[in-house]
Amino acid sequence: EAGVVQSPRYKIIEKKQPVAFWCNPISGHNTLYWYRQNLGQGPELLIRYENEEAVDDSQLPKDRFSAERLKGVDSTLKIQPAELGDSAVYLCASSPGYENSPLHFGNGTRLTVT
Amino acid sequence: AQSVTQLDSHVSVSEGTPVLLRCNYSSSYSPSLFWYVQHPNKGLQLLLKYTSAATLVKGINGFEAEFKKSETSFHLTKPSAHMSDAAEYFCVVSELGSNYQLIWGAGTKLIIKP
Repeated sequence: EAGVVQSPRYKIIEKKQPVAFWCNPISGHNTLYWYRQNLGQGPELLIRYENEEAVDDSQLPKDRFSAERLKGVDSTLKIQPAELGDSAVYLCASSPGYENSPLHFGNGTRLTVT
Repeated sequence: AQSVTQLDSHVSVSEGTPVLLRCNYSSSYSPSLFWYVQHPNKGLQLLLKYTSAATLVKGINGFEAEFKKSETSFHLTKPSAHMSDAAEYFCVVSELGSNYQLIWGAGTKLIIKP
């Protein structure tokens, strides 16, 4: 099966600029996650979708971050405007959706804000 | 409340010697436990998971982990390290009925000396 696909792989922007990340999950996976991973740390959940519904966005900084999964398949995560502290790897993962099903991760997007 | 502690931020072993990566958890109910591996500039990959079946769990690449309820531990082991095992390893806990909430450890970087 094809894995989780993320793009771009790397992104360098200046602070205050907008940026968007795209994720295409494994076919048939209803659950989609966006994580942020800072250097030397574990992933932190930003948002979780069940189909097109955001069921957990409690950790998403809603003043500057937004996400969508309009048709319940691929998803976009946006930051506007970006801040220096947003520099991190943004990981997308998908799973079949039953409890404790394993997550399948993409290779991530490494964002550098200068 | 759930929590997970990876006791070592770095572990260094020689190629061909055993590997031990330590993980302790805190959970009010029946936990599910996972180990994920992250190679440099790659996404995370599931190594193995425990979900209340056999306490000794075998994973990919020769890794295994033992769930010890009395010690609240889920240590990851491998009899003989290979250079390709050099990566970051994350212990993850999920609690039954926690609505898919995953708690990630801070990670252990495994260094393999030739």
